[in-house]
Amino acid sequence: GEDVEQSLFLSVREGDSSVINCTYTDSSSTYLYWYKQEPGAGLQLLTYIFSNMDMKQDQRLTVLLNKKDKHLSLRIADTQTGDSAIYFCAEETGGFKTIFGAGTRLFVKA
Amino acid sequence: GAVVSQHPSRVICKSGTSVKIECRSLDFQATTMFWYRQFPKQSLMLMATSNEGSKATYEQGVEKDKFLINHASLTLSTLTVTSAHPEDSSFYICSASEIRRGTEAFFGQGTRLTVV
Repeated sequence: GEDVEQSLFLSVREGDSSVINCTYTDSSSTYLYWYKQEPGAGLQLLTYIFSNMDMKQDQRLTVLLNKKDKHLSLRIADTQTGDSAIYFCAEETGGFKTIFGAGTRLFVKA
Repeated sequence: GAVVSQHPSRVICKSGTSVKIECRSLDFQATTMFWYRQFPKQSLMLMATSNEGSKATYEQGVEKDKFLINHASLTLSTLTVTSAHPEDSSFYICSASEIRRGTEAFFGQGTRLTVV
């Protein structure tokens, strides 16, 4: 079935880079997304990548997609305390459903 | 980007009452809308998929008589939680997409439901 997995926690120091990894199972996925959720808030779309791309860069964010291994990563350069949040990886499947990972809680230490 | 408006953002209701949550696509025609539920500290779970003008397709384990979904127009879908119970307290979020154009889905702001 469709499944998205990601590690639950990541802790980094302010100024370092954060890399959040995700794996998915549906090879027919069309879009892959990264969402940010701050405490008590809804989802904020950070970035997305088409399944036929390998990389997408958007300011401090870099998304890498390895379609062969079904592996997606999000790199946040120069991580700030304001980046502390839960980051969800999600894939839009061939059936146009979006399947979410469990979320990675990013802790940024000052 | 496209805008999806979800209303209300927060609602408190008494056990046994029903609550309606609206999801509107403001600048595009949403042929398909999705309803998700997020339990505390957990990921979002897809509850159902609704296509305009037809009955919603519910995911396994979701009670269709309890969570009534109506997608009567291309810009509006509603989720009604009937006979609300404290266990229904959760964060509900909708997304909408224009399938015919193959665009990605856009999410509403979410509704935090508390049943007391």
